[in-house]
Amino acid sequence: SQKIEQNSEALNIQEGKTATLTCNYTNYSPAYLQWYRQDPGRGPVFLLLIRENEKEKRKERLKVTFDTTLKQSLFHITASQPADSATYLCALGSGGYQKVTFGTGTKLQVIP
Amino acid sequence: SQTIHQWPATLVQPVGSPLSLECTVEGTSNPNLYWYRQAAGRGLQLLFYSVGIGQISSEVPQNLSASRPQDRQFILSSKKLLLSDSGFYLCAWSPKQGLAGQGPSTDTQYFGPGTRLTVL
Repeated sequence: SQKIEQNSEALNIQEGKTATLTCNYTNYSPAYLQWYRQDPGRGPVFLLLIRENEKEKRKERLKVTFDTTLKQSLFHITASQPADSATYLCALGSGGYQKVTFGTGTKLQVIP
Repeated sequence: SQTIHQWPATLVQPVGSPLSLECTVEGTSNPNLYWYRQAAGRGLQLLFYSVGIGQISSEVPQNLSASRPQDRQFILSSKKLLLSDSGFYLCAWSPKQGLAGQGPSTDTQYFGPGTRLTVL
């Protein structure tokens, strides 16, 4: 069955450092992968989408890589700030009329 | 701009009682609509999705049902709630591409503020 794995343990990082979150998947051939941010008690907010034929995507301090051979995506936040503290979810989709499958998320804590 | 509304924000219901959660989208037409549930410490579980009025696809067999009586309205219901129905319910929409709103969506989902349901 399809499986998406994100590190269930919280990631603590010092302010100013680069945070790297991992999303691994099995039994899946996604057409695209997305990253969302979720704050406590709120709905997820879309951050970035990367398609299967793209290796890397950037948006301001965010960078996403997508390796379909390794079946892995890495999500980087450079110059991390306490305001970046949240849970980050990856989601995979196959295209067509849309059903995306979400990972369980990784909680990031940026320490001042 | 587009906005998505959900209500109520919080709800406490006894076991066996009915449920009705409503979601409406403004500023777009013919969206794909979704209901998710997020249990404590768990990921988002897709419950239902809809590509148009009256078109509902169920992802998980359960005592919940969904309806889409209007283009931008999505309702989640239950006749009798179970303890296991407790969780954070999220509605989301995604746009469709192409002429007259047909064709695959842009794949980005926009979530509402959620409803926190506690079944006692």
